[in-house]
Amino acid sequence: AQRVTQPEKLLSVFKGAPVELKCNYSYSGSPELFWYVQYSRQRLQLLLRHISRESIKGFTADLNKGETSFHLKKPFAQEEDSAMYYCALSLNNAGNMLTFGGGTRLMVKP
Amino acid sequence: ETGVTQSPTHLIKTRGQQVTLRCSSQSGHNTVSWYQQALGQGPQFIFQYYREEENGRGNFPPRFSGLQFPNYSSELNVNALELDDSALYLCASSSRDRGNEQFFGPGTRLTVL
Repeated sequence: AQRVTQPEKLLSVFKGAPVELKCNYSYSGSPELFWYVQYSRQRLQLLLRHISRESIKGFTADLNKGETSFHLKKPFAQEEDSAMYYCALSLNNAGNMLTFGGGTRLMVKP
Repeated sequence: ETGVTQSPTHLIKTRGQQVTLRCSSQSGHNTVSWYQQALGQGPQFIFQYYREEENGRGNFPPRFSGLQFPNYSSELNVNALELDDSALYLCASSSRDRGNEQFFGPGTRLTVL
């Protein structure tokens, strides 16, 4: 069964510290993975998708099929990065039917 | 460009009642997906509508049903409400022509007493 696990409910770091938000998945086929972000009082929005291989707002994520992971990383956290982050796995080829992990709240302290 | 809108914002129902939630897709989008987000959890996929037909369904019972209209707006109906149906219901619209990126609405908070 398709499943996404985010082991940390809360991650607290100081400004300027590196950040790694963990995501593990289970999927029998070729996975398409996403990171979504929800800032305070805003809507859920796409941060990045693995097929685009982009860096968005300094964040990157690499798909590791051997470890079935798609961790989100940023070398130097900023206070404005504080938000709820969700890892998601596509249930279809179009990438618009998603199963989400439970989310990790990132708090960046000054 | 108008974003995804949902109504109502909040709703309180009692067990056994029926509820209808509404979603207007973003301009130019022809696909609508519905998600249920229980407190403290990530969104869970309910179903998707494409060109007025159900195009995929998650692990939800038949009492969760939907519609999509010719203008691509959509409704989610839940019959025989249960306490566990209390959640935030999110609607997301997308279009193949725009890379299938999903744009989410603000959600409807349903409380079942």
